[in-house]
Amino acid sequence: DQQVKQNSPSLSVQEGRISILNCDYTNSMFDYFLWYKKYPAEGPTFLISISSIKDKNEDGRFTVFLNKSAKHLSLHIVPSQPGDSAVYFCAASASNDYKLSFGAGTTVTVRA
Amino acid sequence: DSGVTQTPKHLITATGQRVTLRCSPRSGDLSVYWYQQSLDQGLQFLIQYYNGEERAKGNILERFSAQQFPDLHSELNLSSLELGDSALYFCASSVGFRGTGELFFGEGSRLTVL
Repeated sequence: DQQVKQNSPSLSVQEGRISILNCDYTNSMFDYFLWYKKYPAEGPTFLISISSIKDKNEDGRFTVFLNKSAKHLSLHIVPSQPGDSAVYFCAASASNDYKLSFGAGTTVTVRA
Repeated sequence: DSGVTQTPKHLITATGQRVTLRCSPRSGDLSVYWYQQSLDQGLQFLIQYYNGEERAKGNILERFSAQQFPDLHSELNLSSLELGDSALYFCASSVGFRGTGELFFGEGSRLTVL
C-alpha cells in the first residue's frame, strides 16, 4: 500500500524557471515530511523538511508547502538550475513510527 | 559523502543463491535502515535496527533477514534469490530511532539476479 504518492514520474523545466513537484499522502498520522534528492549512482540526500505544525518552509531556492486538509505537499525550486537535474523523493513519517515512507520519485530535468 | 558505507556496490548472482550486503553507519548513528528500490519504484522500507535491536519491519520477505552487530554495522542477508529480487538496496542511518529525523543514505548495493 503506497501511502506516499508522486504521480508525476518526470518533469522538464527550463533553466531559470520554477520547478513544482507534487506529493500526496494517505496516512493522516503522518506529521513530518521530507524531500530527498538523488543523483545517479549516489544515495538520496536530504533536501528540506516540514513539520505538520507549519504550512511552509523555505531554504534558499527550495520551498516546501504543506496542505494538511488536502494531504498534499509540494516542493518549489526557484530558479531552477542545471545542477537540480535529479530524482526527487517525497517522504513522510509519523511521530509514533520508526520509518520513513517514500514516494516513487520524480525525475527533474532542467534544460539550458 | 554521507558517511554511510555499503559493500559491495555491485553484485551479480544466480537464482537460488544467497548474498550478504553490508552497511557501516555514520559514526555515532545508532539506527540502521534498509530500503529496496526496484525499477521505477520508490524506496520500499525493509527493516530498521536501533542499537542492535530490531525496531520496525516493513515489507521484508521471509527469505530476507538482517542484523545489527555490536559495532553497529549491519548486514542484510538475501537467500533463495529470485529474478524479482534484482534491485538497488540502500542502507541509511540516523542518530535516533524515530522516523522524524534526517536519514543519511549510502550509495547503495546493486543486486542483479540472473
